[in-house]
Amino acid sequence: EAQVTQNPRYLITVTGKKLTVTCSQNMNHEYMSWYRQDPGLGLRQIYYSMNVEVTDKGDVPEGYKVSRKEKRNFPLILESPSPNQTSLYFCASSLWTGDTEAFFGQGTRLTVV
Amino acid sequence: QKEVEQDPGPLSVPEGAIVSLNCTYSNSAFQYFMWYRQYSRKGPELLMYTYSSGNKEDGRFTAQVDKSSKYISLFIRDSQPSDSATYLCAMSAGNTGFQKLVFGTGTRLLVSP
Repeated sequence: EAQVTQNPRYLITVTGKKLTVTCSQNMNHEYMSWYRQDPGLGLRQIYYSMNVEVTDKGDVPEGYKVSRKEKRNFPLILESPSPNQTSLYFCASSLWTGDTEAFFGQGTRLTVV
Repeated sequence: QKEVEQDPGPLSVPEGAIVSLNCTYSNSAFQYFMWYRQYSRKGPELLMYTYSSGNKEDGRFTAQVDKSSKYISLFIRDSQPSDSATYLCAMSAGNTGFQKLVFGTGTRLLVSP
């Protein structure tokens, strides 16, 4: 089954404790991205990757890091989480950049206290 | 001003009603127009997409694009309780090079039995 898998689904952490949210896709997609979704603000892109070892900032990259060492994986790293990073996070992949169909993961609800 | 504007709702209708969901946009370069559906606690999934202006129909769903007015619509006929979800419009400028998807904030639809 074609899918994007994120882990964990739910996470509560404390300010400053480094965490990683994993994302994996099994569709051999080139393009992957991370979004955060907040009430009234919609989906905002954090980082994207056009292929292995090619990543770039989206609209709200501050406080986040990513890496793309393999085509299927695109982890999101929060080196020192803060309460304003409490949000619902989605990983998405598509065959190429600007593709009309982006496949989304199930989401990770992160709470930073 | 946001590139894509969408009324957050909620929009409450009785079962069987015709639903109209809309987005306006400011970037005249947008050519691909999409509607994603997002159920509670799930990631968005592509519902329909339209290239340039015109209508596209798929079962009970009709997507309409008016580029002259920078206005897109999604109509749902014979709405069902299972249509209760948040509907996100998304747009991109083209299918060559890097063109990211720009999302609206989403309209929450509630269809009551």
